[in-house]
Amino acid sequence: GENVEQHPSTLSVQEGDSAVIKCTYSDSASNYFPWYKQELGKGPQLIIDIRSNVGEKKDQRIAVTLNKTAKHFSLHITETQPEDSAVYFCGRGSNFGNEKLTFGTGTRLTIIP
Amino acid sequence: DADVTQTPRNRITKTGKRIMLECSQTKGHDRMYWYRQDPGLGLRLIYYSFDVKDINKGEISDGYSVSRQAQAKFSLSLESAIPNQTALYFCATSEPTSGRARETQYFGPGTRLLVL
Repeated sequence: GENVEQHPSTLSVQEGDSAVIKCTYSDSASNYFPWYKQELGKGPQLIIDIRSNVGEKKDQRIAVTLNKTAKHFSLHITETQPEDSAVYFCGRGSNFGNEKLTFGTGTRLTIIP
Repeated sequence: DADVTQTPRNRITKTGKRIMLECSQTKGHDRMYWYRQDPGLGLRLIYYSFDVKDINKGEISDGYSVSRQAQAKFSLSLESAIPNQTALYFCATSEPTSGRARETQYFGPGTRLLVL
């Protein structure tokens, strides 16, 4: 259905290393995949998104890759910094009708100085 | 995002009490949403409204009701609070983008609710 699975639930990486978070979905109609970052005490905020006609999108140190055949997409953060520590949520959506976004269960990323 | 505000920010209530969480936005968006966040469960949709006359149930609407008083205001009510409604609640807004896939959602700062 519309569910999206997200792994891992927690991730710790050394400052300067890369972090990767992966999500899988099952609904073939999904064609929109956003990533939200939630800092402590705040609401989630969109950091990057990708649509199904694109395989990869980059914005400075963050990138998202999409494999439509395997129905999975990933968030890549390179050269991690302490301010990258947060909870990250993936999502999926579709532009068919008024379908709403479905979010993953979140990944708590901790950057170790 | 300061354009989406939620009140109260924190609330402690007792089992059986009726409470209301309020959301206001100055972004001029038509679409508004209520989510709850629980550890390990992510963000789950409670109710959503695509315009003032439109109210739709999300995946976990039981025990909740909503009111869309105006384009800018969307309230969530717990008619008779129970302990397993203890959670972090978020309001969000979005603007439809015709001809494109789903639009960006803008979240409020959240309301932390504890039901004793």
